[in-house]
Amino acid sequence: DAKTTQPNSMESNEEEPVHLPCNHSTISGTDYIHWYRQLPSQGPEYVIHGLTSNVNNRMASLAIAEDRKSSTLILHRATLRDAAVYYCILDISGYAGTASKLTFGTGTRLQVTL
Amino acid sequence: NAGVTQTPKFQVLKTGQSMTLQCAQDMNHNSMYWYRQDPGMGLRLIYYSASEGTTDKGEVPNGYNVSRLNKREFSLRLESAAPSQTSVYFCASSGGQFDNQPQHFGDGTRLSIL
Repeated sequence: DAKTTQPNSMESNEEEPVHLPCNHSTISGTDYIHWYRQLPSQGPEYVIHGLTSNVNNRMASLAIAEDRKSSTLILHRATLRDAAVYYCILDISGYAGTASKLTFGTGTRLQVTL
Repeated sequence: NAGVTQTPKFQVLKTGQSMTLQCAQDMNHNSMYWYRQDPGMGLRLIYYSASEGTTDKGEVPNGYNVSRLNKREFSLRLESAAPSQTSVYFCASSGGQFDNQPQHFGDGTRLSIL
């Protein structure tokens, strides 16, 4: 299975941008890169996903390296509510009509301070 | 919108007791999943159902059974609970006409087995 590597923890000041890195050197051409986050005592929450091109949505941006061996989740202005564990996951089986079996690692714990 | 609803939210069992965790989704998703999360760990897939009428084993299926009752409901059963099954259990669903749709998670069931 394709695996991802993330730092265990990161810190950020409120109102500043945060760049969360993820390495996935064994990614295959059809693997999508997904990001989820988990706030304390809650289930994971979808953040963003992409295949090759950079992606933006209301929550974050996803920057994907040209060789696709790494990606970066960008929170443009961190708030205290963004303190969570962020998971970078490769989806190897998510074609329409099929189940997508996500493999969660231990993620990056983001701490946001005033 | 309710999304994914899990019941109960908390449960304490004695070793050897049986229990069924319930999950229902109102998003008309084809695929549903059961995960467990142990302290300090990422989520691990127990079972999944790609569509109504099908179920498949995930990474850690031993000690569990599942039933895809209909398109909305996917239950997880512990026939003879063991202390090693103390964990937080999350149900998720995904689906749609496009590839790689994100998974939507419930708030979890916190299960303690004494």
